[in-house]
Amino acid sequence: QVQLQQSGAELAKPGSSVKISCKASGYTFTSYYISWIKQTTGQGLEYIGYINTGSGGTNYNEKFKGKATLTVDKSSSTAFMQLSSLTPDDSAVYYCARGHTMGMGWGQGVMVTVSS
Amino acid sequence: DTVMTQSPASMSTSVGERVTVNCKASQSVGTVVAWFQQKPGQSPKRLIYLATNRHTGVPDRFTGSGFGRDFTLTISNVEAEDLAVYYCLQYDSIPYTFGAGTKLELK
Repeated sequence: QVQLQQSGAELAKPGSSVKISCKASGYTFTSYYISWIKQTTGQGLEYIGYINTGSGGTNYNEKFKGKATLTVDKSSSTAFMQLSSLTPDDSAVYYCARGHTMGMGWGQGVMVTVSS
Repeated sequence: DTVMTQSPASMSTSVGERVTVNCKASQSVGTVVAWFQQKPGQSPKRLIYLATNRHTGVPDRFTGSGFGRDFTLTISNVEAEDLAVYYCLQYDSIPYTFGAGTKLELK
């Protein structure tokens, strides 16, 4: 059974960073890209970018360059997204999804709250 | 960036009715459009890809249509389980962009 299991909720202070994970199971990890998506009540769904899980190559939405850094650890079939220099505007639910078009299953989402 | 203007923002319908959700792209995206369903408390799930193709396991009461700039998701014979927010997505060019969503409520 294909699963994307994301890490738990994060409470972070402004200016800090968080790194959230997305562990894949039930399929060959390197056969599908992993995409990352931000969901807020105000802005809806925003595409952050994707990572080629085989090569590590990335493609970012310009808006998230410098904010999000996508990496993978093939040995553990896990994708990561680090969010840096956090502000309250980064408070959101962050999803990983299988495939660059997000059609092959999503993780359960991680709520990130940025507050002092 | 390609803006996806989705309408209506919300709609109320009854079981057994037919509803349509529309998305208009700010520039042509060919057929590179998908539709997602997000039920309360759940992650989004893809219903339609390449404008007209149902994802595996999606009931045939969900139909996608359109080309170029105008796209439609039609739900025929609405069921209670269809209560959700529906989003369109263009993946023709980076950044991929979503519509703002349509909330389907049942009367």
